[in-house]
Amino acid sequence: DAMVIQNPRYQVTQFGKPVTLSCSQTLNHNVMYWYQQKSSQAPKLLFHYYDKDFNNEADTPDNFQSRRPNTSFCFLDIRSPGLGDAAMYLCATSRGGAEGQETQYFGPGTRLLVL
Amino acid sequence: AQTVTQSQPEMSVQEAETVTLSCTYDTSENNYYLFWYKQPPSRQMILVIRQEAYKQQNATENRFSVNFQKAAKSFSLKISDSQLGDTAMYFCAFGGATNKLIFGTGTLLAVQP
Repeated sequence: DAMVIQNPRYQVTQFGKPVTLSCSQTLNHNVMYWYQQKSSQAPKLLFHYYDKDFNNEADTPDNFQSRRPNTSFCFLDIRSPGLGDAAMYLCATSRGGAEGQETQYFGPGTRLLVL
Repeated sequence: AQTVTQSQPEMSVQEAETVTLSCTYDTSENNYYLFWYKQPPSRQMILVIRQEAYKQQNATENRFSVNFQKAAKSFSLKISDSQLGDTAMYFCAFGGATNKLIFGTGTLLAVQP
């Protein structure tokens, strides 16, 4: 089945120690998104790639970076995690239409714990 | 800017009964999609149903249906014959001209046995 895969499902890191979360997709979608979701809140969009074009949200801290080496993979790098970065990180994809409005398909998420 | 409002932080329903979750939105766009996503506890966010704004007919997916009122900018979700597995956080979302979704704050639905 076509899907969005996130690894690992749980990640523990130390305060200030860089960490990378990964996402892959078999849907061949053009757009890949990274969201941060804290407990009982809506997902907050950090950034997205439309093909190779990177689109950062204005309020995303510089501590968060992303890479998309090819269509299938996208990575979230947190350069110096703080306690406030502990959250669920969701990856999503969409086909990416000329007029937007596309359904997004979500991965299972990676829960990040910062010690 | 678009906004999505879910005014019911929590709701409860008895198994087999019907429940309606409310959602209102604001936009100046004419062509857009609206979505309901379900996120069970510690589980993946999945699409429940979506509605194209240009379609007058309300979308239906098995026990799930919407009441889309474009003029009123209202998009409620009705769940019929509620099941224990329907217990989840439900997010209403707006998809407009960008490739981004605007989410509401969510409604936590508990289905009671």
